[in-house]
Amino acid sequence: QVQLQESGPGLVKPSETLSLTCTVSSDSIRDYFWSWIRQPPGKGLEWIGYFHYREGTNYNPSLRSRVTISLDMSKNHFSLKLNSVIAADTAVYYCARGEIERVLYFDYWGQGIQVTVSS
Amino acid sequence: SSELSQPPSVSVSPGQTASITCSGDKLGDEYVCWYQQKPGQSPVLVIYEDDKRPSGIPERFSGSNSGNTATLTISGTQAMDEADYYCQAWKSDIVFGGGTKLTVL
Repeated sequence: QVQLQESGPGLVKPSETLSLTCTVSSDSIRDYFWSWIRQPPGKGLEWIGYFHYREGTNYNPSLRSRVTISLDMSKNHFSLKLNSVIAADTAVYYCARGEIERVLYFDYWGQGIQVTVSS
Repeated sequence: SSELSQPPSVSVSPGQTASITCSGDKLGDEYVCWYQQKPGQSPVLVIYEDDKRPSGIPERFSGSNSGNTATLTISGTQAMDEADYYCQAWKSDIVFGGGTKLTVL
């Protein structure tokens, strides 16, 4: 059973950088699309981006200029950095494992972490 | 896939069939998956590749996709199926539908 766990600060000031880490209990970290997805309060899901060991990164075009996702295989975790945050970045942030066959789908999710952008 | 549209809400009586649609331009040319999300919980994959069920998902969940519309069907709906449901597709980018709140009356 794969488990994912998000960690990081729950409060970030406007204009600063949001940094989150997802620790993965999996020995196949090279083989999947490790992803971040967020959900603003009372709203739907928004894909942020993914990192794949061989395929590289892909980001939501609406966030591309502010996002970096990286993978640290030695620590079995991957990270999200979102620059220049604003109040609209307040959301529950999920990390998820992306599997691909004829569509990329998310079969394992973390429990989510609430991040609030406020001074 | 650029934009996926779902009805905000669907109601169904217990034991009846619920259908939740997801619309997008030429959506039938892509593959769609569906997630169930209960309040305060993470989403759970219930259908992938239009009509495949992950292990552990009850047989009452099924999916189809043709033309511009994908459909998630729940047969013999139970009270425990009350949740938000999201469709998702992938072409170059990943897109989620806006979500549908299923109420079991």
